[in-house]
Amino acid sequence: DTAVSQTPKYLVTQMGNDKSIKCEQNLGHDTMYWYKQDSKKFLKIMFSYNNKELIINETVPNRFSPKSPDKAHLNLHINSLELGDSAVYFCASSQGLAGGDEQFFGPGTRLTVL
Amino acid sequence: GESVGLHLPTLSVQEGDNSIINCAYSNSASDYFIWYKQESGKGPQFIIDIRSNMDKRQGQRVTVLLNKTVKHLSLQIAATQPGDSAVYFCAEKAGYALNFGKGTSLLVTP
Repeated sequence: DTAVSQTPKYLVTQMGNDKSIKCEQNLGHDTMYWYKQDSKKFLKIMFSYNNKELIINETVPNRFSPKSPDKAHLNLHINSLELGDSAVYFCASSQGLAGGDEQFFGPGTRLTVL
Repeated sequence: GESVGLHLPTLSVQEGDNSIINCAYSNSASDYFIWYKQESGKGPQFIIDIRSNMDKRQGQRVTVLLNKTVKHLSLQIAATQPGDSAVYFCAEKAGYALNFGKGTSLLVTP
């Protein structure tokens, strides 16, 4: 009964490759997010979707493209992977966009670019 | 730019003692703050939140204090247990997303 799940948990790939990370939530939430956590544990928002519409698009290279096929899924596709993309990527979801809507995080995907 | 930060990167406490983790924020317009706990290999987990119209909120063994005058937030953990060992983040609601601080690593020793 995992609330927010991500696949894969680990992803090791070569520079220049294209890869995708999938996220699914079974909480019935309207809003989903992608965060990036670097080697110093700093967490930063990348994207947010509300009802399948892009709400937040922080300063992220356009090699990163989120896709939301439905409210329960938010996938992250990364083109032409670079060494600096190595990080842990977390998906999260919340009921809505209001201040009190708790964000639930997935277990993370550790991406290593060689 | 405006940011959320933490005073101490690491904190070591003995089992049974109380822990206090501090956080400073700079956005005076922030009206909602959250503390998250992240255990090794897992995603952040909600602990407790507080709105700017409050200065204290208590949960089970945890208390969050908010001082808007000096833009300071703290998390107090009573009777710290080994299971409390983790990285703790404060976060402020910035628009639609959360703006996280750098994290404090809490280590509980027997």
